[in-house]
Amino acid sequence: AQTVTQSQPEMSVQEAETVTLSCTYDTSESNYYLFWYKQPPSRQMILVIRQEAYKQQNATENRFSVNFQKAAKSFSLKISDSQLGDTAMYFCAREDGSSNTGKLIFGQGTTLQVKP
Amino acid sequence: SQTIHQWPATLVQPVGSPLSLECTVEGTSNPNLYWYRQAAGRGLQLLFYSVGIGQISSEVPQNLSASRPQDRQFILSSKKLLLSDSGFYLCASGTGGGNTIYFGEGSWLTVV
Repeated sequence: AQTVTQSQPEMSVQEAETVTLSCTYDTSESNYYLFWYKQPPSRQMILVIRQEAYKQQNATENRFSVNFQKAAKSFSLKISDSQLGDTAMYFCAREDGSSNTGKLIFGQGTTLQVKP
Repeated sequence: SQTIHQWPATLVQPVGSPLSLECTVEGTSNPNLYWYRQAAGRGLQLLFYSVGIGQISSEVPQNLSASRPQDRQFILSSKKLLLSDSGFYLCASGTGGGNTIYFGEGSWLTVV
């Protein structure tokens, strides 16, 4: 089965510091899309950042950036200058391109606590 | 961007009772639609997806069913709920090709 693995169930960081969340995945496709979603206590799923595997350059969205290592099938999320509002569960996901349905395969999530 | 309306937000149902969760989408046409379940605050499991009206694919064997009677309407149903059906259900919409998948606000189902 093609899977997405997040090996850190819980993490914490001090406000204003930097934290990195890990994600590895399995795929046999040459081009695919990777995502990080955030789920705050409200439970609303919010897209944080996306990366196309074809592109070598790591995606960046303000304080959020990724370290995409295609050969290693690794897709980590770095949050800089952490804020209290970043407290949430973070999910790594890969789009299943084999079926052309756009469905996402999710990891088990990492709960991030930002401490004041 | 798309807006996903999902209801009811919270539901407490006895074992053996029927279920209907509804989801409608605004801001797009002919989307791919998905039902995910999130148990115990962990990862999301895909239950059903649909690429068009009347087209439903099931990802896991279960007590639930889905229907898509209109282009932007997606319904999750059960004839007889089990305790194991409890969880947080999310409806989602997307167009594939790496584009953003948008999620509804979710429905909490507790089977008692």
